Amino acid sequence: GENVGLHLPTLSVQEGDNSIINCAYSNSASDYFIWYKQESGKGPQFIIDIRSNMDKRQGQRVTVLLNKTVKHLSLQIAATQPGDSAVYFCAEMRGNNRLAFGKGNQVVVIP
Amino acid sequence: DGGITQSPKYLFRKEGQNVTLSCEQNLNHDAMYWYRQDPGQGLRLIYYSQIVNDFQKGDIAEGYSVSREKKESFPLTVTSAQKNPTAFYLCASSPGQGSEALFFGSGTQLSVL
Repeated sequence: GENVGLHLPTLSVQEGDNSIINCAYSNSASDYFIWYKQESGKGPQFIIDIRSNMDKRQGQRVTVLLNKTVKHLSLQIAATQPGDSAVYFCAEMRGNNRLAFGKGNQVVVIP
Repeated sequence: DGGITQSPKYLFRKEGQNVTLSCEQNLNHDAMYWYRQDPGQGLRLIYYSQIVNDFQKGDIAEGYSVSREKKESFPLTVTSAQKNPTAFYLCASSPGQGSEALFFGSGTQLSVL
């Protein structure tokens, strides 16, 4: 069925290195994508979004890449810091204006 | 938390009891949402409201009820019909203009005594 998913359940990264988190989606009609960060016991925090008419968008230390050909979304975090340790999940906006969320990918930053 | 306040932070429910989770926003957003999050799972939509005095069922509405009498408030009641209520409940809001990001509150952890 249609779904939003993440390839890797846990990513361990050395402090200062770059992190890449991947997300696959299967609904070709989705036209808007969001990355969220969720720390333990807190609500999800908006990181960055991208619309389907773009293939790359940059924020502060983060870059989102969208490959519509293979239905793939990625979040790159530059110079990963201990405060980046969290669960990251992607969400896609389907045609009914409702967001579908992936299960999340735990990022652990090693000092 | 972007102007969205959820209370209480922790809530305990006795068997057969109804409990109400509060969600208030001062962002002047038209749309509000309730999600349920279970460990290791993605967010699942319970109810949503795109305008005052109107709301729709999400994917897992059974055992829950909501009201939207004011633009800034969207309380969720977990009824005794919800047999597995233990979860982390998240409220969110958005301007309500179409494809746009949701902004979340800090969540309420509901547990059963």
